[in-house]
Amino acid sequence: GENVEQHPSTLSVQEGDSAVIKCTYSDSASNYFPWYKQELGKRPQLIIDIRSNVGEKKDQRIAVTLNKTAKHFSLHITETQPEDSAVYFCAAREGAWPMEYGNKLVFGAGTILRVKS
Amino acid sequence: EPEVTQTPSHQVTQMGQEVILRCVPISNHLYFYWYRQILGQKVEFLVSFYNNEISEKSEIFDDQFSVERPDGSNFTLKIRSTKLEDSAMYFCASRLAGLLYQETQYFGPGTRLLVL
Repeated sequence: GENVEQHPSTLSVQEGDSAVIKCTYSDSASNYFPWYKQELGKRPQLIIDIRSNVGEKKDQRIAVTLNKTAKHFSLHITETQPEDSAVYFCAAREGAWPMEYGNKLVFGAGTILRVKS
Repeated sequence: EPEVTQTPSHQVTQMGQEVILRCVPISNHLYFYWYRQILGQKVEFLVSFYNNEISEKSEIFDDQFSVERPDGSNFTLKIRSTKLEDSAMYFCASRLAGLLYQETQYFGPGTRLLVL
C-alpha cells in the first residue's frame, strides 16, 4: 500500500521568510495530494491540493509542486505570518481514478511550523 | 459553511468498556471515513463507508470496531471492548461524491478517547 514520508518534522522560520515542507510517496497510482493545516485543538483544514495531471498549483501565498517521476510533492508558503504557525500534513489518496471505492488518504507524519515574529 | 460535527469532544472510559463515537457528516456527502491519530503519530485510516456498507478497512479495524449509519444524518464508530492502545484522537471525515474534483475530505473536530 501507499506510504507517505514528510520532512522536516519541525520548522522554524522568521516572519516574512518562506517555508518549504516536502513529502514523498510510494504508490505511483496515487493521483491526488491534499495538504491539511491543523491548528492546536482544531480540525485538519484543507489548504491546497493537487492532482497528478498538473505540476504546480498556487493560491495566494501557498503553492504546491508535484514531481510524479520522483514521487514527491512540496508545500511552499511565502511571506510567512505568525498565523501560519500550525501542524501541516501532506497526504496521498491511495488508488487510481475513477473513484469507485473509498480511496482513503494516507498521511505524512506532520510538520510543526513555527513562525517567529 | 457546513461542517462535519463530532460528539463527544472528549471521552474517558475504562478498559473493556464499549464506546460509541458519533459524527454528523455534511448533509449531501456520500462517502464517510474514520481516521485516528495516536498522540504524536500519523493520522491513520480506519474505515471508509459508502452506500450503507464498508468499502475499505485497515488492519487496525478489527472485530472490535464497527460502523453504522443508523439514520440519514449520523455516522457512528463503535469500539466493543476498548483497550489501552485505543486511546487516540478519532476523526470523522466526509466527501461529496466519487467524481473528479470532488475528492476533498472534510474533517470533523475529533473525539479524544482516553482508555484507562
